Amino acid sequence: VQLVQSGAEVKKPGESLKISCKASGYSFTSYWIGWVRQVPGKGLEWMGLIYPGDSNTRYSPSFQGQVTLSADKSISTAYMQWTSLKASDTAIYYCARREVGATWFDPWGQGTLVTVSS
Amino acid sequence: QSALTQPASVSGSPGQSITLSCTGTSSDVGGYGYVSWYQQHPNKAPKLMIFDVTKRPSGVSNRFSGSKSGNTASLTISGLQAEDEADYYCSSYTANSTWVFGGGTKLTVL
Repeated sequence: VQLVQSGAEVKKPGESLKISCKASGYSFTSYWIGWVRQVPGKGLEWMGLIYPGDSNTRYSPSFQGQVTLSADKSISTAYMQWTSLKASDTAIYYCARREVGATWFDPWGQGTLVTVSS
Repeated sequence: QSALTQPASVSGSPGQSITLSCTGTSSDVGGYGYVSWYQQHPNKAPKLMIFDVTKRPSGVSNRFSGSKSGNTASLTISGLQAEDEADYYCSSYTANSTWVFGGGTKLTVL
């Protein structure tokens, strides 16, 4: 089981961005994918999750409307996208798998560093 | 949903046992038996160490154990080793069907 995330990004405020999380080694449509933010030097923040089987999503109130989660079953890849980045979006973003009915996340991707700076 | 409360730092000597705490509310830690703990080494992804308060994933050392009393969950590491030095985060499922993390505890092995 492996989650491999896309590479680091450097963007300007106001730009859009879509980062990816490619799953392998298991049935992609049978597990949830969660997303977690970590501002450099700070703690973990749960952002939301998506069930690729039917694209059902659940967002943290803190991130609802700020990001959009999606998935492409044909290539076993989950995505998180922004339409207008802010400097405060600078962080490492992790994806992680959640078994149906489970309350934990395992394994995690290696993380994608997003830097937003003018 | 406010973050769970964890001490910023804890330290211990090799061979000792230490306990990390994680305090929430009746809407998360206290209301459910769904606390998990993650270990994060510098510049690495988090790793699941404990789930459902007390359960250990396959491959995790039995030196790691979890417990809960009321609104506070705890992670105990016995026989402390240098490789245990890392940040530790607790997490809980919540009444809103979301998840919340603690602020993290930096464990230093002296």
